[in-house]
Amino acid sequence: GQQVMQIPQYQHVQEGEDFTTYCNSSTTLSNIQWYKQRPGGHPVFLIQLVKSGEVKKQKRLTFQFGEAKKNSSLHITATQTTDVGTYFCAANDDKIIFGKGTRLHILP
Amino acid sequence: DTAVSQTPKYLVTQMGNDKSIKCEQNLGHDTMYWYKQDSKKFLKIMFSYNNKELIINETVPNRFSPKSPDKAHLNLHINSLELGDSAVYFCASSQGAGANYGYTFGSGTRLTVV
Repeated sequence: GQQVMQIPQYQHVQEGEDFTTYCNSSTTLSNIQWYKQRPGGHPVFLIQLVKSGEVKKQKRLTFQFGEAKKNSSLHITATQTTDVGTYFCAANDDKIIFGKGTRLHILP
Repeated sequence: DTAVSQTPKYLVTQMGNDKSIKCEQNLGHDTMYWYKQDSKKFLKIMFSYNNKELIINETVPNRFSPKSPDKAHLNLHINSLELGDSAVYFCASSQGAGANYGYTFGSGTRLTVV
């Protein structure tokens, strides 16, 4: 079945620094989704990427889908304490398969 | 208004007991899911129903039995609870089946088996 590898597993950054998490698949994906889960909270849908090479922005968040549709990234510019949480990518199979997530910690 | 609501939020119970978790969505979505999130935050799908019909049944012990009385409700009954069942269980819904739609998650049920 479909699997997505997500790196890094953990990331500590100083507030104001940038952060990137990567999602990789051995097979071509039809689409990829990104979710954010705050500590103690539930996953919240952020975005879906469908097209090869697609780039979408949400304020300080930039999402990219690779040209071969086998990888994706989420980049946060100038992190803030509200960005703390776990970021999951999720790939399309006959159901959504979640990556293991990247836990982002912000150091004040 | 809560879009996907789960009850209870917390559940502490002894090994061997039987318990149920309820989920309701008011989004008009056709598809509902149960996910299990372990202590390492891994999200693993358990079941999926589309318009009351079971469409995904992952490798889950028979002690877990989902029930969908209508497309707005998906309940999870667990028999003979074991220590390893301790986790956060999330209900989710989506507009359609498959992975072309974003999922809306409930706030989770934290199950602790002692």
